[in-house]
Amino acid sequence: DTGVSQNPRHKITKRGQNVTFRCDPISEHNRLYWYRQTLGQGPEFLTYFQNEAQLEKSRLLSDRFSAERPKGSFSTLEIQRTEQGDSAMYLCASSRNRGRGYTFGSGTRLTVV
Amino acid sequence: DQQVKQNSPSLSVQEGRISILNCDYTNSMFDYFLWYKKYPAEGPTFLISISSIKDKNEDGRFTVFLNKSAKHLSLHIVPSQPGDSAVYFCAATKSSGDKLTFGTGTRLAVRP
Repeated sequence: DTGVSQNPRHKITKRGQNVTFRCDPISEHNRLYWYRQTLGQGPEFLTYFQNEAQLEKSRLLSDRFSAERPKGSFSTLEIQRTEQGDSAMYLCASSRNRGRGYTFGSGTRLTVV
Repeated sequence: DQQVKQNSPSLSVQEGRISILNCDYTNSMFDYFLWYKKYPAEGPTFLISISSIKDKNEDGRFTVFLNKSAKHLSLHIVPSQPGDSAVYFCAATKSSGDKLTFGTGTRLAVRP
């Protein structure tokens, strides 16, 4: 196990379509995070899980966004009825310890046309 | 409301010289600070961190300084190398919490 894995790396979709991204964290990490990064900005927190429990959601996470981590291992982030403003890099990260830095994946770049 | 600010979008330095990247924060509840480095098409990579109980932390060529009264931190890279060319993000968190708040990043270019 060499790190956090995200799939797909790139996704182009038409406005109004649904998309789903997957994140596989480092195996011994029980915390998993989703961030979004747009051009010229730093990553912005979306949500995080401790094991399978979703403990916090940002107000950035509209009703069209849903994240799951059903077995406390991998996680999925779904965006329904995509909009052009959803175009961004979606980053997943995982950690073992609270309140410390964590390991990011390479991200999924979403383009909504 | 930008709680973590990196006011210099870019910085260019000569190889071998010192690079100084700055970061300011507004939330006094933050007590743990981190620097991440990001190459194109990759996720951010953890570089170095500092707790608010310290004012300096050093790791090889990288040193982070924290001035709590000024709510300011800086990352020093000495000597700078061309491979250091990347975007550097400052991030802050509360040690009792989990989410990181990032700045907007500074693009460092190290000229050979």
